[in-house]
Amino acid sequence: EVQLVQSGAEVKKPGESLKISCKGSGYNFGPYWIAWVRQMPGKGLEWMGIIYPGDSDTRYSPSFQGQVIMSADKSFSTAYLQWNSLKASDSAMYFCARLATYGSGTYSDYFDYWGQGTLVTVSS
Amino acid sequence: EFVLTQSPGTLSLSPGERATLSCRASQSVSSNYLAWYQQKPGQAPRLLIYGASSRATGIPDRFSGSGSGTEYTLTIRRLEPEDFAVYYCQQYGSSLPYTFGQGTKLEIK
Repeated sequence: EVQLVQSGAEVKKPGESLKISCKGSGYNFGPYWIAWVRQMPGKGLEWMGIIYPGDSDTRYSPSFQGQVIMSADKSFSTAYLQWNSLKASDSAMYFCARLATYGSGTYSDYFDYWGQGTLVTVSS
Repeated sequence: EFVLTQSPGTLSLSPGERATLSCRASQSVSSNYLAWYQQKPGQAPRLLIYGASSRATGIPDRFSGSGSGTEYTLTIRRLEPEDFAVYYCQQYGSSLPYTFGQGTKLEIK
């Protein structure tokens, strides 16, 4: 069974750093793109970017470029989302999701499996 | 940037009724690469439809998707109590980022 399991909720102060994780199981993690999606409280879904764990190729939404860092370690079947200096406006639920198609050849794809989400709260 | 506009914002219906949700794109969706997701409170989204009209694994056949170009529709015939949720469309065929619509909340009347 394919599963994406995300790390637990975090409470941080503005200016602190944070790295959350998304661990895949039940499939070969490397050859499937992983996406990160933000959902601010009471709001809709925002596509942040994607990473190919096989070679760590990344594509960022212009809205998130320079604000977060995506990384992956295929040997641990885990993708990461990182902030170097959190802001209160980063408070949100963050989901990882798998793109459906095997291989790096395309990322024009829908999300077939989702993680349960990681709630990030940034408050002084 | 590619924009998806969903309507209505909220749809109030009763179980057993038919729901029609709309997703309009600011430009043509390449190869009809349009997906629909369902999200219930406190849960992750779930894939319903991909390629505009293909049902995902395990999705009941009361859910159907249609459309092409810039106009897409998700239809739920004979609403069940568990169908009341928020629905999002997403394009994944045109330029990055692969944006979502703002969502339609389907609520019990």
